[in-house]
Amino acid sequence: AQTVTQSQPEMSVQEAETVTLSCTYDTSESNYYLFWYKQPPSRQMILVIRQEAYKQQNATENRFSVNFQKAAKSFSLKISDSQLGDTAMYFCAFLSGGSNYKLTFGKGTLLTVNP
Amino acid sequence: GAGVSQSPSNKVTEKGKDVELRCDPISGHTALYWYRQSLGQGLEFLIYFQGNSAPDKSGLPSDRFSAERTGGSVSTLTIQRTQQEDSAVYLCASSLDGANSPLHFGNGTRLTVT
Repeated sequence: AQTVTQSQPEMSVQEAETVTLSCTYDTSESNYYLFWYKQPPSRQMILVIRQEAYKQQNATENRFSVNFQKAAKSFSLKISDSQLGDTAMYFCAFLSGGSNYKLTFGKGTLLTVNP
Repeated sequence: GAGVSQSPSNKVTEKGKDVELRCDPISGHTALYWYRQSLGQGLEFLIYFQGNSAPDKSGLPSDRFSAERTGGSVSTLTIQRTQQEDSAVYLCASSLDGANSPLHFGNGTRLTVT
């Protein structure tokens, strides 16, 4: 079974600065997908960014980018120019290319952006 | 367009009572998922529907939990004889076809069993 580990329960950053959230995972598969989801106080999970394991290029979405290290099974999220609205729980998630429907989530990192 | 809608938003119930949680997915989405989020934990997979069928019920914690989906649309998660450990946020998500297409989540139902 796959596992996803987020070793930072809480983090904080000053507005406009850059922060990196860590995620490691364990799998024996070669075909899979990785995601970062954001959960603000509204509770709705919002997809931030997605990475296909077969792609070597790191995914980027505006201020959000990932550092995908397949050999190390590491998938960190970098948020640049942090904004107050980025305050939320961030979850890393794994999707097997085989099952392709069951997401496995980490326990999350609570990010607080301070003014 | 409308997103995934869940009702009720919050539910407080007494131990031993039955509860029903409802999910209205995005129109046209064939795949529907239920997840449970307990305090301080990540999301725990409960069940997956493709159309009205549930190919994977492996995440349901006990036989007190059941779910159905009708008309390829609305889904209901039922918890019978609720226990305090059932207290959690229950999140529903839908996706276009279940094959790697992005999941769209609702705002969840916070269930509190007293």
